[in-house]
Amino acid sequence: GNSVTQMEGPVTLSEEVFLTINCTYTATGYPSLFWYVQYPGEGLQLLLKATKADDKGSNKGFEATYRKETTSFHLEKGSVQVSDSAVYFCALAVYGGKLIFGQGTELSVKP
Amino acid sequence: ETGVTQTPRHLVMGMTNKKSLKCEQHLGHNAMYWYKQSAKKPLELMFVYNFKEQTENNSVPSRFSPECPNSSHLFLHLHTLQPEDSALYLCASSPSTSGLSYEQYFGPGTRLTVT
Repeated sequence: GNSVTQMEGPVTLSEEVFLTINCTYTATGYPSLFWYVQYPGEGLQLLLKATKADDKGSNKGFEATYRKETTSFHLEKGSVQVSDSAVYFCALAVYGGKLIFGQGTELSVKP
Repeated sequence: ETGVTQTPRHLVMGMTNKKSLKCEQHLGHNAMYWYKQSAKKPLELMFVYNFKEQTENNSVPSRFSPECPNSSHLFLHLHTLQPEDSALYLCASSPSTSGLSYEQYFGPGTRLTVT
């Protein structure tokens, strides 16, 4: 079946360090992959996406590359800020418009 | 208004009450979705509508009743809920349900507490 696995949180980092949040997936076919972010008290916002193998999605300093050989879509940022504190969700799209989400990774960035 | 809006933002209801959640999208999309977000659990897809027709019911109990009168509006009617139904209910929309590259746009959610 289709599934998404993210690294466990919470993740606590100091400002300006490198961030990686791991995401691996299991899917039939060639799904599109997404990262969403949820700030406290808000809904989910699309952060970036990739629609085929080797595509790199990027936005607001965040990047993720669609790796078919390792079935991964890890989220990275070179220098995190306090304002990046949020919950991050990896997701894949399957036919019928459905998104399959990972369990979310809470990130807390300290000044 | 822009994007996806949801009302109310917070709702407290007793187990015998009847209430409705409302979602409206201003993006010209044709597909709308209801999700349930509980603490420590992945988002659960509840219902999918495409061009006003329900295309997915993810084994949701009948105490949740969706309604989609047009492509811009989606309701979730609630009755005789249980305390375990307390959660954040998120609405989303997308251009349609066909294709794999369409992202979904989410509203801010309704925080529901069942007492």
